[in-house]
Amino acid sequence: AAGVIQSPRHLIKEKRETATLKCYPIPRHDTVYWYQQGPGQDPQFLISFYEKMQSDKGSIPDRFSAQQFSDYHSELNMSSLELGDSALYFCASSLVRYEQYFGPGTRLTVT
Amino acid sequence: AQSVSQHNHHVILSEAASLELGCNYSYGGTVNLFWYVQYPGQHLQLLLKYFSGDPLVKGIKGFEAEFIKSKFSFNLRKPSVQWSDTAEYFCAVKGAGSYQLTFGKGTKLSVIP
Repeated sequence: AAGVIQSPRHLIKEKRETATLKCYPIPRHDTVYWYQQGPGQDPQFLISFYEKMQSDKGSIPDRFSAQQFSDYHSELNMSSLELGDSALYFCASSLVRYEQYFGPGTRLTVT
Repeated sequence: AQSVSQHNHHVILSEAASLELGCNYSYGGTVNLFWYVQYPGQHLQLLLKYFSGDPLVKGIKGFEAEFIKSKFSFNLRKPSVQWSDTAEYFCAVKGAGSYQLTFGKGTKLSVIP
């Protein structure tokens, strides 16, 4: 079965640089979520989109923004990167508010 | 605000032992409940879910969980664990009308052959 696709899988950036993470949901899923998981931590909800509109917002820094496009893929844009942004960023997708299926994640390292 | 508490940080079991991982949640409304598993270096995989109906839910790989509304609990069980069950297990809660999943801190399970 098709799964959530994330790219890139690994990303290394320097402080103050920008990064863009991409997420392609499972076909026919209309809702996309972004989570951040620090080392040894549980995933923290950042933001979600339903039918291309922001549906919920969590602890997403103002330096981050995201959107969902007409083909339902989503991008998370991160600017002025800080060392503390180093984490695993998961995207998940679902049909409306049903169970969320997670992608493999993008490991971001900020040096 | 919703929260999830997982009682055990690290559980060590021998193969064939029975497993029960505790999960309690705090939320003032109708909830949806989930257990996810994360194998080393991998992404979160859905083990099982509860939306409504029978409070005893069965998931993949022989896992089951019971929702006890009066105790705000959703404990995960497996009668006989295998070495391949070594992973981290996360309990998660979502308000029925919301999008955001709130996770517990996770329980690391180590199964000794």
